[in-house]
Amino acid sequence: DTGVSQNPRHKITKRGQNVTFRCDPISEHNRLYWYRQTLGQGPEFLTYFQNEAQLEKSRLLSDRFSAERPKGSFSTLEIQRTEQGDSAMYLCASSFEGVGKTQYFGPGTRLLVL
Amino acid sequence: GENVEQHPSTLSVQEGDSAVIKCTYSDSASNYFPWYKQELGKGPQLIIDIRSNVGEKKDQRIAVTLNKTAKHFSLHITETQPEDSAVYFCAASFNDMRFGAGTRLTVKP
Repeated sequence: DTGVSQNPRHKITKRGQNVTFRCDPISEHNRLYWYRQTLGQGPEFLTYFQNEAQLEKSRLLSDRFSAERPKGSFSTLEIQRTEQGDSAMYLCASSFEGVGKTQYFGPGTRLLVL
Repeated sequence: GENVEQHPSTLSVQEGDSAVIKCTYSDSASNYFPWYKQELGKGPQLIIDIRSNVGEKKDQRIAVTLNKTAKHFSLHITETQPEDSAVYFCAASFNDMRFGAGTRLTVKP
């Protein structure tokens, strides 16, 4: 399967702990996106990379959130000092660069902060 | 920024009937309109998309129409089957993508 993969699929943590998620995009794609999805809502854009450069960050991405894509391949999303409001599905997608390119999503990482 | 509204939020149909989901967008610069299907516990899967240079696109039982003047687009599913039951999201994009809130479709056998 050469689709987008994400690990872990589920994460339960206690408030105040740090968590890190990983996304492996489709290998030919140079754009990688992170979204957050809460129950009953559509995905909300967090940030995206073109190769290793982080080109845009949403205002939703507080200073407790940091994303990296050091070699332009896989990406990590870290949440420091987690809060209960961080509980959500974190989705990763990838695409070719350019306007109006199709984004292909991974299965997501479901985070529960107790 | 772009704002996408989607209706209805829930839709229940009998197997074999048609289902229609409608979306409106605010940014006239948006030129790419995908539709995603999301099943429980899975990521969104692209089912069909349309670009602003066409008004309609069809793929078997699924069709999408786009009215750029009115800034709305619709998903049409004909001959619905129980396996069509899922949450469907519309999205509008120029540089970044904005999603509607989703429509939960239930197809009753």
